[in-house]
Amino acid sequence: DTAVSQTPKYLVTQMGNDKSIKCEQNLGHDTMYWYKQDSKKFLKIMFSYNNKELIINETVPNRFSPKSPDKAHLNLHINSLELGDSAVYFCASSQASRTDTQYFGPGTRLTVL
Amino acid sequence: AQTVTQSQPEMSVQEAETVTLSCTYDTSESNYYLFWYKQPPSRQMILVIRQEAYKQQNATENRFSVNFQKAAKSFSLKISDSQLGDTAMYFCAFSSNTGNQFYFGTGTSLTVIP
Repeated sequence: DTAVSQTPKYLVTQMGNDKSIKCEQNLGHDTMYWYKQDSKKFLKIMFSYNNKELIINETVPNRFSPKSPDKAHLNLHINSLELGDSAVYFCASSQASRTDTQYFGPGTRLTVL
Repeated sequence: AQTVTQSQPEMSVQEAETVTLSCTYDTSESNYYLFWYKQPPSRQMILVIRQEAYKQQNATENRFSVNFQKAAKSFSLKISDSQLGDTAMYFCAFSSNTGNQFYFGTGTSLTVIP
Protein backbone atom coordinates (compact mmCIF):
# COMPACT_ATOMS: atom_id res chain seq x y z
CA ASP A 1 0.00 0.00 0.00
CA THR A 2 1.25 3.45 -0.86
CA ALA A 3 1.81 5.48 2.29
CA VAL A 4 1.36 8.94 0.79
CA SER A 5 -0.33 9.22 -2.58
CA GLN A 6 -0.94 12.19 -4.84
CA THR A 7 -3.12 12.64 -7.88
CA PRO A 8 -2.53 13.50 -10.59
CA LYS A 9 1.17 12.77 -11.19
CA TYR A 10 1.25 15.16 -14.12
CA LEU A 11 -0.90 18.20 -14.73
CA VAL A 12 -0.70 20.44 -17.78
CA THR A 13 -2.95 23.47 -17.90
CA GLN A 14 -3.37 26.96 -19.28
CA MET A 15 -2.56 30.20 -17.52
CA GLY A 16 -5.50 31.57 -15.59
CA ASN A 17 -7.10 28.21 -14.87
CA ASP A 18 -7.93 26.84 -11.43
CA LYS A 19 -6.65 23.39 -10.51
CA SER A 20 -6.44 21.03 -7.56
CA ILE A 21 -3.97 18.37 -6.49
CA LYS A 22 -5.14 15.68 -4.11
CA CYS A 23 -3.11 14.06 -1.36
CA GLU A 24 -3.94 11.14 0.88
CA GLN A 25 -1.93 9.40 3.59
CA ASN A 26 -2.76 6.05 5.18
CA LEU A 27 -0.16 6.26 7.95
CA GLY A 28 -2.46 7.67 10.59
CA HIS A 29 -0.31 10.78 10.83
CA ASP A 30 -1.55 13.99 12.37
CA THR A 31 0.33 16.50 10.25
CA MET A 32 0.47 17.01 6.51
CA TYR A 33 2.51 19.34 4.32
CA TRP A 34 2.79 20.77 0.86
CA TYR A 35 6.16 21.59 -0.72
CA LYS A 36 7.12 23.20 -4.00
CA GLN A 37 10.25 22.07 -5.85
CA ASP A 38 11.35 24.43 -8.59
CA SER A 39 13.34 23.71 -11.73
CA LYS A 40 16.61 24.04 -9.80
CA LYS A 41 15.44 21.35 -7.37
CA PHE A 42 15.04 23.86 -4.56
CA LEU A 43 12.45 22.65 -2.05
CA LYS A 44 10.33 25.07 -0.10
CA ILE A 45 7.60 24.34 2.41
CA MET A 46 4.29 25.96 1.52
CA PHE A 47 1.96 24.76 4.27
CA SER A 48 1.87 22.52 7.26
CA TYR A 49 -1.46 21.49 8.71
CA ASN A 50 -2.85 19.39 11.50
CA ASN A 51 -6.25 19.36 13.09
CA LYS A 52 -5.24 22.23 15.31
CA GLU A 53 -3.50 24.71 13.11
CA LEU A 54 -2.60 25.69 9.62
CA ILE A 55 0.80 27.26 9.20
CA ILE A 56 1.36 29.10 5.99
CA ASN A 57 4.70 30.13 4.60
CA GLU A 58 4.30 33.87 4.25
CA THR A 59 5.86 33.84 0.78
CA VAL A 60 3.09 31.67 -0.66
CA PRO A 61 0.60 33.68 -2.76
CA ASN A 62 -2.98 33.55 -1.52
CA ARG A 63 -3.94 31.94 -4.84
CA PHE A 64 -2.77 28.74 -3.15
CA SER A 65 -5.01 27.24 -0.51
CA PRO A 66 -4.94 23.90 1.32
CA LYS A 67 -8.17 22.13 2.03
CA SER A 68 -8.42 19.23 4.47
CA PRO A 69 -11.69 17.29 4.50
CA ASP A 70 -10.28 14.95 7.15
CA LYS A 71 -7.01 14.00 8.83
CA ALA A 72 -5.94 11.70 6.01
CA HIS A 73 -6.34 14.22 3.21
CA LEU A 74 -4.80 17.56 2.36
CA ASN A 75 -5.63 18.89 -1.07
CA LEU A 76 -3.98 21.86 -2.73
CA HIS A 77 -6.11 24.32 -4.68
CA ILE A 78 -4.51 26.83 -6.98
CA ASN A 79 -6.48 29.70 -8.50
CA SER A 80 -5.55 31.81 -11.53
CA LEU A 81 -2.50 29.75 -12.42
CA GLU A 82 0.61 31.61 -13.56
CA LEU A 83 3.65 30.49 -15.56
CA GLY A 84 5.78 30.70 -12.42
CA ASP A 85 3.63 28.10 -10.72
CA SER A 86 5.17 25.42 -12.92
CA ALA A 87 7.02 23.09 -10.57
CA VAL A 88 6.81 19.74 -8.85
CA TYR A 89 4.54 19.78 -5.81
CA PHE A 90 5.09 17.28 -3.03
CA CYS A 91 2.72 16.29 -0.31
CA ALA A 92 4.15 14.82 2.90
CA SER A 93 2.98 13.68 6.31
CA SER A 94 4.51 13.15 9.73
CA GLN A 95 3.40 11.62 13.00
CA ALA A 96 2.92 14.88 14.85
CA SER A 97 5.28 17.76 14.21
CA ARG A 98 7.86 19.05 11.78
CA THR A 99 10.61 17.44 13.81
CA ASP A 100 9.28 13.96 13.07
CA THR A 101 10.30 12.06 9.96
CA GLN A 102 8.27 13.15 6.99
CA TYR A 103 6.99 10.70 4.41
CA PHE A 104 6.62 12.11 0.94
CA GLY A 105 4.27 11.45 -1.90
CA PRO A 106 5.57 10.83 -5.43
CA GLY A 107 5.08 14.44 -6.48
CA THR A 108 2.87 16.16 -9.05
CA ARG A 109 4.56 17.87 -11.96
CA LEU A 110 2.52 20.95 -12.82
CA THR A 111 3.14 22.67 -16.13
CA VAL A 112 1.42 25.96 -16.84
CA LEU A 113 1.34 26.99 -20.50
CA ALA B 1 16.04 32.79 10.39
CA GLN B 2 17.42 29.34 9.99
CA THR B 3 19.42 28.53 6.89
CA VAL B 4 20.86 25.32 5.56
CA THR B 5 23.86 25.35 3.23
CA GLN B 6 25.10 22.56 1.04
CA SER B 7 28.25 23.80 -0.64
CA GLN B 8 28.71 20.91 -3.07
CA PRO B 9 26.18 21.09 -5.92
CA GLU B 10 27.57 17.95 -7.56
CA MET B 11 29.75 15.06 -6.47
CA SER B 12 30.77 11.72 -7.86
CA VAL B 13 32.21 8.59 -6.31
CA GLN B 14 33.42 5.25 -7.57
CA GLU B 15 31.28 2.27 -6.71
CA ALA B 16 32.33 0.68 -3.38
CA GLU B 17 34.17 3.82 -2.29
CA THR B 18 33.23 6.23 0.50
CA VAL B 19 31.93 9.74 -0.02
CA THR B 20 31.07 12.57 2.37
CA LEU B 21 28.44 15.21 1.66
CA SER B 22 28.69 18.41 3.63
CA CYS B 23 25.97 20.48 5.26
CA THR B 24 26.14 23.48 7.52
CA TYR B 25 23.31 25.35 9.15
CA ASP B 26 22.68 28.48 11.08
CA THR B 27 20.42 28.69 14.11
CA SER B 28 20.22 30.31 17.51
CA GLU B 29 18.19 27.46 18.95
CA SER B 30 19.64 24.78 21.19
CA ASN B 31 17.27 21.95 20.43
CA TYR B 32 16.47 21.01 16.88
CA TYR B 33 16.51 18.15 14.41
CA LEU B 34 18.55 17.53 11.31
CA PHE B 35 17.77 15.25 8.42
CA TRP B 36 19.23 13.89 5.24
CA TYR B 37 16.75 13.05 2.51
CA LYS B 38 17.49 11.29 -0.75
CA GLN B 39 15.70 11.99 -4.04
CA PRO B 40 16.59 9.46 -6.76
CA PRO B 41 15.69 10.06 -10.41
CA SER B 42 12.28 8.53 -9.67
CA ARG B 43 11.58 11.77 -7.77
CA GLN B 44 10.47 10.02 -4.56
CA MET B 45 11.88 11.72 -1.45
CA ILE B 46 13.10 9.22 1.13
CA LEU B 47 14.53 9.80 4.59
CA VAL B 48 18.12 8.63 4.90
CA ILE B 49 18.92 9.61 8.44
CA ARG B 50 17.66 11.80 11.30
CA GLN B 51 19.64 13.36 14.13
CA GLU B 52 18.39 15.02 17.29
CA ALA B 53 20.64 17.89 18.30
CA TYR B 54 20.62 17.07 22.01
CA LYS B 55 22.02 13.61 21.29
CA GLN B 56 25.79 13.59 21.20
CA GLN B 57 26.02 10.26 19.44
CA ASN B 58 26.12 10.41 15.67
CA ALA B 59 23.21 8.68 13.95
CA THR B 60 23.92 5.71 11.70
CA GLU B 61 21.75 3.73 9.34
CA ASN B 62 23.52 0.81 7.70
CA ARG B 63 26.02 2.31 5.20
CA PHE B 64 24.95 5.85 6.05
CA SER B 65 26.33 7.79 8.98
CA VAL B 66 26.58 11.41 9.99
CA ASN B 67 29.27 13.52 11.55
CA PHE B 68 27.34 15.97 13.71
CA GLN B 69 29.41 18.82 15.08
CA LYS B 70 27.00 20.98 17.07
CA ALA B 71 29.43 23.74 17.96
CA ALA B 72 30.48 24.07 14.34
CA LYS B 73 26.87 23.69 13.14
CA SER B 74 27.95 21.02 10.72
CA PHE B 75 26.05 17.87 9.73
CA SER B 76 27.85 15.85 7.07
CA LEU B 77 26.65 12.57 5.59
CA LYS B 78 29.05 9.72 4.94
CA ILE B 79 28.08 6.98 2.53
CA SER B 80 30.26 3.88 2.77
CA ASP B 81 30.57 1.18 0.13
CA SER B 82 28.72 3.33 -2.41
CA GLN B 83 26.26 1.52 -4.63
CA LEU B 84 24.77 2.49 -7.99
CA GLY B 85 21.41 2.89 -6.30
CA ASP B 86 22.85 5.69 -4.18
CA THR B 87 22.84 7.95 -7.25
CA ALA B 88 20.43 10.72 -6.28
CA MET B 89 20.00 14.26 -5.03
CA TYR B 90 20.71 14.49 -1.32
CA PHE B 91 19.06 17.19 0.74
CA CYS B 92 20.05 18.29 4.20
CA ALA B 93 17.16 19.68 6.26
CA PHE B 94 16.56 21.45 9.56
CA SER B 95 13.57 21.69 11.85
CA SER B 96 12.83 22.68 15.41
CA ASN B 97 9.88 22.57 17.74
CA THR B 98 9.90 26.30 18.29
CA GLY B 99 10.08 27.31 14.65
CA ASN B 100 7.30 27.29 12.13
CA GLN B 101 9.40 26.18 9.22
CA PHE B 102 11.15 23.22 7.79
CA TYR B 103 14.27 24.20 5.85
CA PHE B 104 15.92 22.25 3.09
CA GLY B 105 19.38 22.91 1.71
CA THR B 106 19.88 23.34 -2.02
CA GLY B 107 20.89 19.72 -2.50
CA THR B 108 23.94 17.78 -3.67
CA SER B 109 23.66 15.68 -6.79
CA LEU B 110 25.62 12.47 -6.20
CA THR B 111 26.59 10.14 -9.04
CA VAL B 112 28.00 6.72 -8.30
CA ILE B 113 30.27 5.60 -11.13
CA PRO B 114 30.47 1.88 -11.95
